[in-house]
Parts: sequence; C-alpha cells; structure tokens
Amino acid sequence: EPEVTQTPSHQVTQMGQEVILRCVPISNHLYFYWYRQILGQKVEFLVSFYNNEISEKSEIFDDQFSVERPDGSNFTLKIRSTKLEDSAMYFCASSEGVRGRTTNEKLFFGSGTQLSVL
Amino acid sequence: AQSVTQPDIHITVSEGASLELRCNYSYGATPYLFWYVQSPGQGLQLLLKYFSGDTLVQGIKGFEAEFKRSQSSFNLRKPSVHWSDAAEYFCAVRGGTASKLTFGTGTRLQVTL
Repeated sequence: EPEVTQTPSHQVTQMGQEVILRCVPISNHLYFYWYRQILGQKVEFLVSFYNNEISEKSEIFDDQFSVERPDGSNFTLKIRSTKLEDSAMYFCASSEGVRGRTTNEKLFFGSGTQLSVL
Repeated sequence: AQSVTQPDIHITVSEGASLELRCNYSYGATPYLFWYVQSPGQGLQLLLKYFSGDTLVQGIKGFEAEFKRSQSSFNLRKPSVHWSDAAEYFCAVRGGTASKLTFGTGTRLQVTL
C-alpha cells in the first residue's frame, strides 16, 4: 500500500524557534492535511490544503502556523515561534481528492513527527 | 458541529475473547464514520468506514462495525481478539462537505495472553 512519509520522526526545539515539519504525500493525491495529537488527548484537525490553498482550518491553526507545497512532492507545516503547548505528535495525511471531494475518501496518514518544545 | 465520544479510555481483554469498542457521534445529518487504529510508533491506519447502505460494515483484520442511527452509535467489534490487536483505536466522523475528520479521544486496547 502507498505511504505518506514524514520527516523527521522526532524534533526537539527551543521555545520561540521556528520549526518546519515535512511530509511527502502519496504521489497522485490532491488533498493534504495536518493533524496533531497532544499526549493523552485526541487527534485534532489543523488544516486541509487543496489546489495550492487552504481548504479548511481549525481554530488551532492561528497566525503562527502556515502550510506550503514548495514543490511537486513535499507538503510542509511551519510553526513560526514555537510555544511549550505546541509539543505534540503531528500527523500529515493525504487523500485522492477526486473532483475536489473528500467526504467519502480514505485518508492515508503518515507515522508522525513528535515535536518537543523545551 | 460534529463530535465523537468514545466512553472507554482503556479496555483489557483476553486473547480469543470478543471485543466491542463503543463510539457515539453527534451530527445533524447522516455522517461519514471511520475507525482508525494506531499501533505504537505508527501512523493511523483505516480499519473501516461507513458512508451509506448496509449498516454493518466489514473492515480489515477481521473487524466490523455497525451503524445505528437511532443510537447515534458506530461500535467496533471483533469476535476473537489476537495479541497483535493491542493498540489505540479511534472513531472519527466527517460530515457534509467538510474536509476535516473529527476524532474521538481513543480507546487503548490491551490484550492479555
């Protein structure tokens, strides 16, 4: 089965530093997502991205966050100035996005990047 | 707004025993429902999904789930659990034209030999 790849698997950073989390979605997929899971809490939606723009975002996804598809294969999440509460496992996902629809599609998740903010 | 409740945080079953993980959802119309499993150090893997039609859906690894509209439930079942089923299980809902999945808090399954 095709896979979503995330790098790095673990990242440690100092509070206030910028971090970029990287993802390589499945090659023919058109919809991309970031989710996060704070330790002991539920998996939370951050943002979805389609056709080179944000399709939907949650209230968590404030001005400190941004997403980008810098080339034909990568999808990145940038946190501009990290806070302690940004420590979490961040999951990237992708789906086919046939005709721009996602509601009945399977999301393929990566194995996550564990971000620790000190 | 859509939401999901998984009332059981942690469940322990013996290998070979049957399993039922509970999931209740809140959404105004017919939702799209999913069950994902997360093994340690792994990403989220889709077990099964419900969109319409037959309310009993079959998934991978011998899992099934039944959609009950009257109870707003989508419980996950397996007739005989294997030790390799030990993992965290998440129920999720997606509604309308939204692209996001809303997850429950998860149920951690422990399997004793």
